[in-house]
Amino acid sequence: GQNIDQPTEMTATEGAIVQINCTYQTSGFNGLFWYQQHAGEAPTFLSYNVLDGLEEKGRFSSFLSRSKGYSYLLLKELQMKDSASYLCAVEDSNYQLIWGAGTKLIIKP
Amino acid sequence: ETGVTQTPRHLVMGMTNKKSLKCEQHLGHNAMYWYKQSAKKPLELMFVYNFKEQTENNSVPSRFSPECPNSSHLFLHLHTLQPEDSALYLCASSQDLASGANEQFFGPGTRLTVL
Repeated sequence: GQNIDQPTEMTATEGAIVQINCTYQTSGFNGLFWYQQHAGEAPTFLSYNVLDGLEEKGRFSSFLSRSKGYSYLLLKELQMKDSASYLCAVEDSNYQLIWGAGTKLIIKP
Repeated sequence: ETGVTQTPRHLVMGMTNKKSLKCEQHLGHNAMYWYKQSAKKPLELMFVYNFKEQTENNSVPSRFSPECPNSSHLFLHLHTLQPEDSALYLCASSQDLASGANEQFFGPGTRLTVL
């Protein structure tokens, strides 16, 4: 079966760094996405990885290891507005997105 | 209007009612999706349309009926729903299927409550 695992909830302090992990087992792989979803709002695109390595975009970076079926999202210099759920999704061989249940990130002052 | 819009934002209906959810995208995309989002569960893909043709129906009960009259509009017709169908229904669009880095743009969702 297809499976995406990520922690249910994480807590971090404003100004700190947090890493949200995602492991996956899917039928085929055409890329991995990270989305951010604030409570009551639509998911919004953060990053896309298709090759191994680190993609950096401002305060956010995303890493991929295809051989390990593993990715992480790294958030630096945390701000209160980063409190949200972070969704990991893998595009499978049918070009469908398989979604994790999301990680709720709580930022404390 | 820009991006992806959905109406209504909130809907309460009885199990015998018939209602429709509407989605419109202003991005010139060719693929549109319906997802169901329940608390603490992964997004569940319900239906996919690519160039107005339905490509996926992931074992969705027949009480949910999609309609895609053109590439910009997508409907989800609802009838005789069950309380467990209460959820956030999200519409999304993307350039098309299989175009690589197929970023999906989401609407704000319809919060559905079935009594």
